[in-house]
Amino acid sequence: AQSVSQHNHHVILSEAASLELGCNYSYGGTVNLFWYVQYPGQHLQLLLKYFSGDPLVKGIKGFEAEFIKSKFSFNLRKPSVQWSDTAEYFCAVNAPYNQGGKLIFGQGTELSVKP
Amino acid sequence: DGGITQSPKYLFRKEGQNVTLSCEQNLNHDAMYWYRQDPGQGLRLIYYSQIVNDFQKGDIAEGYSVSREKKESFPLTVTSAQKNPTAFYLCASSALATDTQYFGPGTRLTVL
Repeated sequence: AQSVSQHNHHVILSEAASLELGCNYSYGGTVNLFWYVQYPGQHLQLLLKYFSGDPLVKGIKGFEAEFIKSKFSFNLRKPSVQWSDTAEYFCAVNAPYNQGGKLIFGQGTELSVKP
Repeated sequence: DGGITQSPKYLFRKEGQNVTLSCEQNLNHDAMYWYRQDPGQGLRLIYYSQIVNDFQKGDIAEGYSVSREKKESFPLTVTSAQKNPTAFYLCASSALATDTQYFGPGTRLTVL
């Protein structure tokens, strides 16, 4: 069965620090990859996605992610975090040609940015 | 305004009662989904529907039921058979089953 693993459950950073959140998945076929963000009290929003093409994907609010097929990874990065980036971040994967494209989520990483 | 609406935002029920959570979308999406979110477990798929009058069980369907009589509506019933129903429930939709999913604001259900 497919699975998605996020390495860090809780990350605490100071403003202006760089961010990298790890995400690994276990499926050898074609995948679509997503990062979602859930700000406190708000609903889940799409940060960025990768379907095909350039493996370096840019999203909203200065976030980017790199798909490394050989490592089954899709890590999220931001060069300089802000207090407003405090949120929970979810990596998700679906296999469009398998299991009806069900979206499998990681456990989530809670990011706390200290002002 | 286009989007996904879920109501109510907070819901309290007594143990042993069935409760139905509403999800409506006006995005003209074919596919709709229900997830359950628990702290430290991410989102887990309860049921999904790729087309009207058809739906499939997700990973944790036991104790839940759904219907998809209209394209824009996908209500979820949490039955008394669900052993641990207190959770945050999220509804999502996508144009096609393999497309990006968009989420509603969620319903927080507390069973007393």
